[in-house]
Amino acid sequence: EIVLTQSPGTLSLSPGERATLSCKASQSVGSTYLAWYQQKPGQAPRLLIYGASSRATGIPDRFSGSGSGTDFTLTISRLEPEDFAVYYCQQYGGSPRRFSFGPGTKVDI
Amino acid sequence: QITLKESGPTLVRPTQTLTLTCTFSGFSLNTYGVGVGWIRQPPGKALEWLALIYWDDDKRYKSSLQSRLTITKDTSKNQVVLAMTSMDPVDTATYYCAHRAGYINWAYFDYWGQGTLVTVSS
Repeated sequence: EIVLTQSPGTLSLSPGERATLSCKASQSVGSTYLAWYQQKPGQAPRLLIYGASSRATGIPDRFSGSGSGTDFTLTISRLEPEDFAVYYCQQYGGSPRRFSFGPGTKVDI
Repeated sequence: QITLKESGPTLVRPTQTLTLTCTFSGFSLNTYGVGVGWIRQPPGKALEWLALIYWDDDKRYKSSLQSRLTITKDTSKNQVVLAMTSMDPVDTATYYCAHRAGYINWAYFDYWGQGTLVTVSS
């Protein structure tokens, strides 16, 4: 089963700053099978990025994803107040293919 | 418009079996590539994927929980049911169901239910 690790655990930044979040997989993941989610307290997760780099419907272009193989990155170019949340990466791989989520990165002020 | 909603008991006793139902609308689980998954989140902790069922009745389970989980679908009712046996207090969590988009070469959950909190306690 593929294990995802995310770093850092917590990212303390200010509005307007750039956030760079890392997601590493224990074995290679197909790029089309890597997604990112945002979760705010008391809410269900929201899909941000799928296929490693494609923004979901309605997601602002300050969110971008990149990477391949075992190393993936979510970048928020300029943090807005509403971006302070927890971010999870998710993969679908292995044999048979199964989903898994990373432990999350909290972006706070 | 796709919506999903979880239902089931809020309190389960240790050793009991939890049965949760996901009732959905706006899509068909007969459509090629579509799936419905279950994901849980203990209070203050990370998301954990549990299981997924596909349009063709293919089922996938988290390997460490496979012996305790059963996922089924009733396409006539637009429902997916998850059963988890031998419940323990560590299984206390918010349980979400989510829609897996029907694109075979992609894998993500684009619509989520609101979640239901299940507490395991005697």
